[in-house]
Amino acid sequence: DAGVTQSPTHLIKTRGQQVTLRCSPKSGHDTVSWYQQALGQGPQFIFQYYEEEERQRGNFPDRFSGHQFPNYSSELNVNALLLGDSALYLCASSWLTYEQYFGPGTRLTVT
Amino acid sequence: GIQVEQSPPDLILQEGANSTLRCNFSDSVNNLQWFHQNPWGQLINLFYIPSGTKQNGRLSATTVATERYSLLYISSSQTTDSGVYFCAVVSIGNAGNMLTFGGGTRLMVKP
Repeated sequence: DAGVTQSPTHLIKTRGQQVTLRCSPKSGHDTVSWYQQALGQGPQFIFQYYEEEERQRGNFPDRFSGHQFPNYSSELNVNALLLGDSALYLCASSWLTYEQYFGPGTRLTVT
Repeated sequence: GIQVEQSPPDLILQEGANSTLRCNFSDSVNNLQWFHQNPWGQLINLFYIPSGTKQNGRLSATTVATERYSLLYISSSQTTDSGVYFCAVVSIGNAGNMLTFGGGTRLMVKP
């Protein structure tokens, strides 16, 4: 049973550019959440998708947007990258509102 | 929003020692999860424990929801237990299952 997968593993971008991160949920899961983890801190909730719609959103600017596809996979898009966007981006999946399982993360560096 | 505090922030143990990690939260919760983050950033599920006590090998957890705290016990610690331990909660009234994380306990087990 494949767990949550994310791509790419690492990414280096320049300030002002745009980036797209991808996530495939664990088999049987229908809900995908995205989190940002800065160095030395706990993960911060960005947003959650269920039935292809954004169900909840954390305290992140509109530069952060997402999408969920009919197969439950998801993308996180960040526009106009800032140096402060450098972080580990984690995707989590769950069945409805139950236990969440995390992917290995995408480490984004903005230079 | 709900606040989650973990203690101690840092812990150094000799291999074989026992430890207790604490998680306090400021409001009633629907769900509570404990995670171990390995050096590569992967969050590994330890317990899904909104209330009561669970055990898994050398690890056990207890959540006292009415008093708003949870404890993670590690017995006979091993060097592979090193890493960061996070507690994360879903507050009552939440439409989805957004996790709010504590700041983590950084554990180092010395041989």
